Amino acid sequence: DAKTTQPNSMESNEEEPVHLPCNHSTISGTDYIHWYRQLPSQGPEYVIHGLTSNVNNRMASLAIAEDRKSSTLILHRATLRDAAVYYCILRDVGGAQKLVFGQGTRLTINP
Amino acid sequence: NAGVMQNPRHLVRRRGQEARLRCSPMKGHSHVYWYRQLPEEGLKFMVYLQKENIIDESGMPKERFSAEFPKEGPSILRIQQVVRGDSAAYFCASSPLTNTEAFFGQGTRLTVV
Repeated sequence: DAKTTQPNSMESNEEEPVHLPCNHSTISGTDYIHWYRQLPSQGPEYVIHGLTSNVNNRMASLAIAEDRKSSTLILHRATLRDAAVYYCILRDVGGAQKLVFGQGTRLTINP
Repeated sequence: NAGVMQNPRHLVRRRGQEARLRCSPMKGHSHVYWYRQLPEEGLKFMVYLQKENIIDESGMPKERFSAEFPKEGPSILRIQQVVRGDSAAYFCASSPLTNTEAFFGQGTRLTVV
C-alpha cells in the first residue's frame, strides 16, 4: 500500500473551517484516497473518499490536487464533536483490500 | 439496519485463559476485517475474511491467534493462552464489496490480568 504523510496534530476553533492535509507522492493511478476518523474511545468512522475529482458529502469535502500527490479534507464548520484522529488512507481498487492506518492527525477543537 | 455489532464490549481474562471476540457484520456484508489497537497506538490490521474464507492474514500473530467467519453466525477472533501484551482494543469492520467504505464496530476492550 502506498504511504501517506499527515501532520501529527492540528488545532482549530469551533465554528471555523478546518483543512487537514495529506501528502501521497507515490500514489498510483488505481489508488483511491479514503479518509476515516476515530473519536475518543470509539471505532473508526468513514468520512469520505475520492479518486480524481473533488468530492462533497454531508460530513466534509475532499479536495484532490490535480497531480493527485496530495489532498485536503475540509470540515466546513468545526464542532467540538469533530475532535478526533483523522486518517488519510490509500486503497488500491485492484489490490489488497485492507485499510492500512498510519498515525493520522489528532485534531483539537477549541470552544 | 443495525451497525456492526461486537461483543462483549469489555472482556477481562487471566493470563493463560482463552478470549473469544465476536463480530456480527452489517446485514448484507460479506467482508470482515479485524484490527487491534494497543493503548496510545494506531490501528493495526490483523485479518481479512469473506464467508468461510481467510483472504489476508498477514497481520495475525503466528501463534495463539485465529479467526473464522462461518457461513452462519458471527465472525470470531480467538486468542488462546492470553498474555498481558494482548491487552488492547480489538475492532471489527465490515463492507458489502471490496474497496467500498468499511463500517466499524465499537470494539472489544480486552484486559489480561
